[in-house]
Amino acid sequence: SQTIHQWPATLVQPVGSPLSLECTVEGTSNPNLYWYRQAAGRGLQLLFYSVGIGQISSEVPQNLSASRPQDRQFILSSKKLLLSDSGFYLCAWSGGGGPYNEQFFGPGTRLTVL
Amino acid sequence: AQSVTQLDSQVPVFEEAPVELRCNYSSSVSVYLFWYVQYPNQGLQLLLKYLSGSTLVKGINGFEAEFNKSQTSFHLRKPSVHISDTAEYFCAVSDHGGGGADGLTFGKGTHLIIQP
Repeated sequence: SQTIHQWPATLVQPVGSPLSLECTVEGTSNPNLYWYRQAAGRGLQLLFYSVGIGQISSEVPQNLSASRPQDRQFILSSKKLLLSDSGFYLCAWSGGGGPYNEQFFGPGTRLTVL
Repeated sequence: AQSVTQLDSQVPVFEEAPVELRCNYSSSVSVYLFWYVQYPNQGLQLLLKYLSGSTLVKGINGFEAEFNKSQTSFHLRKPSVHISDTAEYFCAVSDHGGGGADGLTFGKGTHLIIQP
């Protein structure tokens, strides 16, 4: 069966520090991968998605970036965090092949920027 | 472009009472519709989805939803709620246009609060 992992589970970082969040998927190959951010009272916002290694599409311009160095690994990064980057970050995967495929979500990372 | 509106940010309901969580969407093309549930500090779990066919969709945990194309709605219902149903519920849409990947557009969520 497929599983999706995210780490760390929680993170407290000072403003201006770098960020690296990791997401890995097991039990599937060539997944579509997604990063979402959930801010209080604002629902989920799609940040990045990837249909393959090295292929990243950005949905929202910001100081975050994403990379996909391996087929089942998706990394969210920042060189300098802002207070507004605080939130709950969710990674998801889908089987691709069409928009009818459900997305499977990881447990999330709670990021607090102080 | 597509959008999703969840009209209620919070819905308090007494235990064993029925509940309806409202969701309206807008899209210029045909859509696929989803309801997800999020328990505190956890990821999202799919409750049910509408792809095609019967407009009444049954999901897990006794939930169901009805797709109404003329009203562009996909309301979620449960005839009798339990304390364990306390969670955040998200409606989401994906259109047939697809694009490079099937990213979902989510509503802002409805917090269902079950009162004893």
